[in-house]
Amino acid sequence: GEDVEQSLFLSVREGDSSVINCTYTDSSSTYLYWYKQEPGAGLQLLTYIFSNMDMKQDQRLTVLLNKKDKHLSLRIADTQTGDSAIYFCAETLDQAGTALIFGKGTTLSVSS
Amino acid sequence: GAVVSQHPSRVICKSGTSVKIECRSLDFQATTMFWYRQFPKKSLMLMATSNEGSKATYEQGVEKDKFLINHASLTLSTLTVTSAHPEDSSFYICSARSRDRGLEYEQYFGPGTRLTVT
Repeated sequence: GEDVEQSLFLSVREGDSSVINCTYTDSSSTYLYWYKQEPGAGLQLLTYIFSNMDMKQDQRLTVLLNKKDKHLSLRIADTQTGDSAIYFCAETLDQAGTALIFGKGTTLSVSS
Repeated sequence: GAVVSQHPSRVICKSGTSVKIECRSLDFQATTMFWYRQFPKKSLMLMATSNEGSKATYEQGVEKDKFLINHASLTLSTLTVTSAHPEDSSFYICSARSRDRGLEYEQYFGPGTRLTVT
């Protein structure tokens, strides 16, 4: 079956790095995504990685994928208070057309 | 680019009435639009997938007669909650997938609609 798991909470201090982890069960996942949701708002796509990649970096964000362990992580460098939000890991299984399967989200709290 | 809008952002309705929520892709054509429901402290639950010009595909457990989806054009999908009940109160989010080559793996989300049924 399809399942995406995330830890529910992460608390860090401003300026530290944050690492949000995600595991998925379906080895046929093609794309894996990270979305950010601020309170009362919709989802903002942060980044995504194709399943044949190990790493993707985009400014302060680094995504690491361990396909063997079905483990995905999002590292946010120099975390700021504006990064406080819920972060969702998601996967899609096909070439195009089907919906995303989401984890329950990790609430990141950044203290100054 | 790749902006998805939803209207209304918030709606309060009385039990037994119907509410229509619109989802529009503003600067791209969407081959497929999705409707999700988000419960407090829960992940997003996919309700249905709609392709322009064809009937929506509903997920198991979602009542198609209660949640009517119409995907009339490549830029507009609507979700109508019929005979709303308090348990239908939730945050409804739509997303759209572009038909443009190279962007088909990206899904763009609307800002969501908060429905409260009294």
